Amino acid sequence: ETGVTQTPRHLVMGMTNKKSLKCEQHLGHNAMYWYKQSAKKPLELMFVYNFKEQTENNSVPSRFSPECPNSSHLFLHLHTLQPEDSALYLCASSQVSSATDTQYFGPGTRLTVL
Amino acid sequence: LAKTTQPISMDSYEGQEVNITCSHNNIATNDYITWYQQFPSQGPRFIIQGYKTKVTNEVASLFIPADRKSSTLSLPRVSLSDTAVYYCLVGDINSGGYQKVTFGIGTKLQVIP
Repeated sequence: ETGVTQTPRHLVMGMTNKKSLKCEQHLGHNAMYWYKQSAKKPLELMFVYNFKEQTENNSVPSRFSPECPNSSHLFLHLHTLQPEDSALYLCASSQVSSATDTQYFGPGTRLTVL
Repeated sequence: LAKTTQPISMDSYEGQEVNITCSHNNIATNDYITWYQQFPSQGPRFIIQGYKTKVTNEVASLFIPADRKSSTLSLPRVSLSDTAVYYCLVGDINSGGYQKVTFGIGTKLQVIP
């Protein structure tokens, strides 16, 4: 499945670093999502963008800052993270943000915060 | 209040049919029921979706009773490669009026040789 790509696939960063995760979808979708999946925990929805507008912020700490410059690209800017932020970060897209629309997920970025 | 309830885990032998039931007592009239599959360290993948009665595709079947308060995902003759977490989702509306989906804990299916 190459419809949704994420880079980097693995990232190790210190608590004082600033890094960004990138997601790109080639499916012509208008909604994009960031999810966090910690070990042995369910998927946590972080942010949703519809037509480049943020429509969901699921009480995410401000050290996570999303950016959606266009419908095909989504970024997650990271700064002053904590070790408990280590997780698999998944990007997804769908035609629109609707429960009936299939979400297509990227392979994820495995983030480790030291 | 959880939208869906599923068993946390299930075991099955290879070649058997596996049925995973999801409860969604508060399902809304316009909600669809969607199932996803997730392998370790990968993103979830769509399996099947339905509104009522029965839906079948090349991967699975989905049975939905008339009251729609539950649904059952049926995987025929499972193999080791079907070992994964299976999520049942129904719709939800956020504060901005947009529909969203919420992934629960899911059911971890372990297929045994």
